[in-house]
Amino acid sequence: DTAVSQTPKYLVTQMGNDKSIKCEQNLGHDTMYWYKQDSKKFLKIMFSYNNKELIINETVPNRFSPKSPDKAHLNLHINSLELGDSAVYFCASSQDFTGVTGELFFGEGSRLTVL
Amino acid sequence: GQQVMQIPQYQHVQEGEDFTTYCNSSTTLSNIQWYKQRPGGHPVFLIQLVKSGEVKKQKRLTFQFGEAKKNSSLHITATQTTDVGTYFCAGPGGATNKLIFGTGTLLAVQP
Repeated sequence: DTAVSQTPKYLVTQMGNDKSIKCEQNLGHDTMYWYKQDSKKFLKIMFSYNNKELIINETVPNRFSPKSPDKAHLNLHINSLELGDSAVYFCASSQDFTGVTGELFFGEGSRLTVL
Repeated sequence: GQQVMQIPQYQHVQEGEDFTTYCNSSTTLSNIQWYKQRPGGHPVFLIQLVKSGEVKKQKRLTFQFGEAKKNSSLHITATQTTDVGTYFCAGPGGATNKLIFGTGTLLAVQP
């Protein structure tokens, strides 16, 4: 069983379109994250949810909207896609956010290419 | 804001040679984690260090946390082709203690 799974693995789309990426974890973790990895491999946190509540919202354009219907799921919707949004988006989860982040379990990533 | 830098950015070694990557934070860290990302893969947790001056070993990998808790290193003895990948350090920072990843070191191993 995959611990953190995200779909789709690949997304190729045109500028201006809207797309969503879904993430599910079966580890029973309380906290989930979205990270963006650019072409230079820099990993940057975008959002974090703890038990469905948004706790981290980095300086991300408001075209990006996360949603957590329950603590096992965290989805990412992106409106009006731009070329600069091309990247690999990783979902991750951790046991508990009590002020110190524990080990992160990453999904396999969703590679988004905007043409 | 807090920055976590790693050097070198890239290292190419012959199989059997040793390898070290260094991680430096602009602020003191309560703990540091290390991850490995194989080419085309996702980051995978290797270890967490918490105490000042702590040293931990995993087979050929040795991890060290600096005395001032602002730097860390990962040393691989006698590299193998399976060690290929990007190694990231990460430490909590900011008001929310979010995990900030270092810039990464890409290791290439020539057989």
